[in-house]
Amino acid sequence: SSELTQDPTVSVALGQTAKITCQGDSLRSYYVSWYQQKPGQAPVLVIYSKKNRPSGIPERFSGSGSGVTASLTITGAQAEDEADYYCCSRDSSGNQLNVLFGGGTKLTVL
Amino acid sequence: QVQLQESGPGLVRPSETLSLTCSVSGGSLTTFYWSWIRQVPAKGLEWLGFVHHSGVTVYSPALNSRITMSLDTSRSQFSLSLTSVSAADTALYYCAREAVIPTSGDSSFDIWGQGTLVTVSS
Repeated sequence: SSELTQDPTVSVALGQTAKITCQGDSLRSYYVSWYQQKPGQAPVLVIYSKKNRPSGIPERFSGSGSGVTASLTITGAQAEDEADYYCCSRDSSGNQLNVLFGGGTKLTVL
Repeated sequence: QVQLQESGPGLVRPSETLSLTCSVSGGSLTTFYWSWIRQVPAKGLEWLGFVHHSGVTVYSPALNSRITMSLDTSRSQFSLSLTSVSAADTALYYCAREAVIPTSGDSSFDIWGQGTLVTVSS
């Protein structure tokens, strides 16, 4: 079955650039969305349709990707960006619509 | 400002049915798709399914035989029913609004409830 794969952990120095990646066959057909989740809080949408930022999300968050890979980049990471990040896309490879989440990446800001 | 709030029992006995409701305020249920997503504590997110005001429902293949979702526009609520629960169904359950782009089918969950913890235990 299809799945989305993320690195479990990523570390970044304060003020530097963090890149979080997501891989999966479903990304050939559907755009990715990205979610930030801080401890004890519900996920928050930070990128939709691969590269679009919802209102209120800082410009330092950007999305990109092609083929089976998508990326979330945080340019000038701040301490408050330390969180878990999940990628997500729809998938129809099994002849039934499904929604996949990646396993999540824990971002540590050093 | 659309807000979602989950409600329901925090404890369910094994083999029984888990039932949750999501109350929607500040917006109409006649647009968007309305989803349930769960998260085992300290683990990742799992999509359970969605319901649309047209009556369309789509469920996760992993839970298809045990799950039912419905929507009540008059009460601005949608609900989840999961039968024959086991300890593996212990999780934080979120309701979420799913925005879908009709031309591409791409979607994103733009509004989430705060989540409700459901424990399956005797």
